[in-house]
Amino acid sequence: GDSVTQMEGPVTLSEEAFLTINCTYTATGYPSLFWYVQYPGEGLQLLLKATKADDKGSNKGFEATYRKETTSFHLEKGSVQVSDSAVYFCALPLNTGNQFYFGTGTSLTVIP
Amino acid sequence: NAGVTQTPKFRVLKTGQSMTLLCAQDMNHEYMYWYRQDPGMGLRLIHYSVGEGTTAKGEVPDGYNVSRLKKQNFLLGLESAAPSQTSVYFCASSYWPGPGLSETQYFGPGTRLLVL
Repeated sequence: GDSVTQMEGPVTLSEEAFLTINCTYTATGYPSLFWYVQYPGEGLQLLLKATKADDKGSNKGFEATYRKETTSFHLEKGSVQVSDSAVYFCALPLNTGNQFYFGTGTSLTVIP
Repeated sequence: NAGVTQTPKFRVLKTGQSMTLLCAQDMNHEYMYWYRQDPGMGLRLIHYSVGEGTTAKGEVPDGYNVSRLKKQNFLLGLESAAPSQTSVYFCASSYWPGPGLSETQYFGPGTRLLVL
């Protein structure tokens, strides 16, 4: 069935380093793709999304491009900050009831 | 506008006890969801609702019941708690996305449940 596979963590980076978190998907058709972020002690919140192939979603300096050829939606940021420390989830909507398949999450810690 | 709120924030239960978790949203969303989050397993859907008076099973429904008597509220019940139900529970809501489309889910802050 439809699913996403997400890069395992944890990831530790120094401030201003480049970030990539890999996400690949298996899906019938071309669904929208999402990245959610969970800050410590909080619920998930939408970070960015892309609704069709070749679309680029962006927010807060993060970007992800929906690549149909490689079935990927990797999350990138050019210069991470301590405040980006969080868990990041790749998500794929399923066909029924606006359900989502969430990846297992990648924990990011940014050190000063 | 409070968004999605959850009550309580933290609870400790003994095995066999029952409890109800309350989720409320003030965004007039049609759809509501209950998830559990466990280390290394991401989020797993327990039950969801596509409108007032409706409920449906998700990936891990056993041991839980839900009710959606009012559009803004979605209750999750544990009839006889077990240690395996120790987890963090998240409620979420969304608009009806329309046929073949998807919509952002909005999450509450979570309820941490410990079953001894």
